[in-house]
Amino acid sequence: DQQVKQNSPSLSVQEGRISILNCDYTNSMFDYFLWYKKYPAEGPTFLISISSIKDKNEDGRFTVFLNKSAKHLSLHIVPSQPGDSAVYFCAASAHFSGAGSYQLTFGKGTKLSVIP
Amino acid sequence: DSGVTQTPKHLITATGQRVTLRCSPRSGDLSVYWYQQSLDQGLQFLIHYYNGEERAKGNILERFSAQQFPDLHSELNLSSLELGDSALYFCASRRGPLTGELFFGEGSRLTVL
Repeated sequence: DQQVKQNSPSLSVQEGRISILNCDYTNSMFDYFLWYKKYPAEGPTFLISISSIKDKNEDGRFTVFLNKSAKHLSLHIVPSQPGDSAVYFCAASAHFSGAGSYQLTFGKGTKLSVIP
Repeated sequence: DSGVTQTPKHLITATGQRVTLRCSPRSGDLSVYWYQQSLDQGLQFLIHYYNGEERAKGNILERFSAQQFPDLHSELNLSSLELGDSALYFCASRRGPLTGELFFGEGSRLTVL
């Protein structure tokens, strides 16, 4: 049972345009959401996060939106740059899950290609 | 550089064998997480250790085991290897048990032939 879903395996965007990456979740206990970026041959690196008490969080060119009623979040990158080309993973956690573990549940990722 | 070190980076072995993957967390981080990424899959949570104690288990097979040592480094042991165990194994660390993002190492790519 996939609790975090990224339904688009890939996305191509022109440089300078907006990139929108989407993520859906099914577990209503999730209350903290993160986006990670991964380049080939590297580990995932943290990009931006949002708590369920907010519906938007912004950091430079990156904005994450959370729609709790729809169990949906999205990452907006504006403007997109060729260096943004990477695989983007959505992750979620139940912040106070049992045994104090706080493991992240990841989606399968979306490969973003920004075309110069 | 995340500060999390994983060795070896690449490992090729045969079915039935046993391997050990090693992880050194960021300085001061007490939590270590292990994740597995198979082909076309997201990162699957395997196990979490905090300050030497096991905190949670995910989809970890009985053939796999892990531990965290007093110096906080962790090892993931994979035994009776099967072809399907071929994957990228990531280690991640965090300062505490609950809050903040995880910092990932570059991963260990295991190929079972």
